[in-house]
Parts: sequence; structure tokens; C-alpha cells
Amino acid sequence: QKEVEQNSGPLSVPEGAIASLNCTYSDRGSQSFFWYRQYSGKSPELIMSIYSNGDKEDGRFTAQLNKASQYVSLLIRDSQPSDSATYLCAVIGGSEKLVFGKGTKLTVNP
Amino acid sequence: KAGVTQTPRYLIKTRGQQVTLSCSPISGHRSVSWYQQTPGQGLQFLFEYFSETQRNKGNFPGRFSGRQFSNSRSEMNVSTLELGDSALYLCASSSGRGGNGQYFGPGTRLTVT
Repeated sequence: QKEVEQNSGPLSVPEGAIASLNCTYSDRGSQSFFWYRQYSGKSPELIMSIYSNGDKEDGRFTAQLNKASQYVSLLIRDSQPSDSATYLCAVIGGSEKLVFGKGTKLTVNP
Repeated sequence: KAGVTQTPRYLIKTRGQQVTLSCSPISGHRSVSWYQQTPGQGLQFLFEYFSETQRNKGNFPGRFSGRQFSNSRSEMNVSTLELGDSALYLCASSSGRGGNGQYFGPGTRLTVT
């Protein structure tokens, strides 16, 4: 089983819709969870971090964590074409290394 | 604050050569991590340095090495380059052990011919 798994997509949503990105992880001892956004040809940009079960909101972004299910998600409300990018889930587990999923490519259609 | 900087941005080398990449972290950040990104494998962790000590290492051959200086700047070296080493090499810095999140530089695009 891969350490961090994401649906590779592509995920396509219309402008204004909610985009839902999902991630599962295998290390039950993981404590820190991150979402990065990577535009084509650019480096990853940290957009959300979450450490406790539940929801964390920042503007149009909401991260959700469920440690019992080993699941973390990112919701993007009112999706904009500028949100089109690859979204990377990253987890720090017991090894204390930041492990990335392979990313989900999101396209927001005007 | 200035972001993470990496030099050079682009490199073309031939098989068998060696290469050194440089990374300057965000001011005040003491942790520097290196990653290799390829279309097939995604982001792969190479190693992490904190206060000049290698704190963690990924599953890469010994041809990949690194170091960190007292001013937190870091270098990564790849010896005896192979075609498969062609990738985007990313450096990321964080203020602590990475639990606060890591901030990436623009990367160095290495092409091995």
C-alpha cells in the first residue's frame, strides 16, 4: 500500500462549483497533514495545514481530517479557473519525513 | 521575507558528470529538505538537514549527497549522473521539524544527456 494515495484525476468542475479532493494515508501515527497547490511549470505552494480531526477553513478552502479513517480532504468552494492546478496531499508520519501523494489535477471550466 | 532561492535554475549535463545544486532557505528557517520530482514518480524525498545535520534520508543511491552550512544554506550533489537523474530538484525550508509546513523554492531543472 502506498503511503499517501490520491485520485490522479483529472477532476473537472464548472466555475462556481465545489471541488472535492481526497487523500488517504497508511501511517496511523501521522500527525501533520498538508495540501499544496502546484501550477504547471511551478513549484508546490503550501495552501493548507491541518493537525486535528475536523474541519479547518481558510477563505474558499476547507481541509477535513478524519484520523480514524486515515482520510484527509480539501474542498474548494466557488471554484475559479485560476484554481486549475495539481493539488498535492502531504503527510508527516512516524518517520518524520514529509511524504507526498502523486497529486490530483483539477481543471475548472469557465 | 524573501522566499527560498535555488541556483542554478537550469542545468544540462552529460552522463558520468557530477552536479552541485544550491539552496538558500527563508531567513530564520533552519530545516532544508530536498526532493526530486519526475512525471512518473511524483515528489520523492531525498534528504533533510537541520542545523548542519542530516536528520532524514530517502531511498536514493549514495550518488546523491548533501550538506548544510552554518548559515542554513544547503547544497546537493549528484555524482556519476545517469539519464534517469533528469528531473526537477526542489528545495524546501521550514522553521522547525517540518511540522509547520515546508516552503518550496522554484527548483532546478536538471537534464542529463
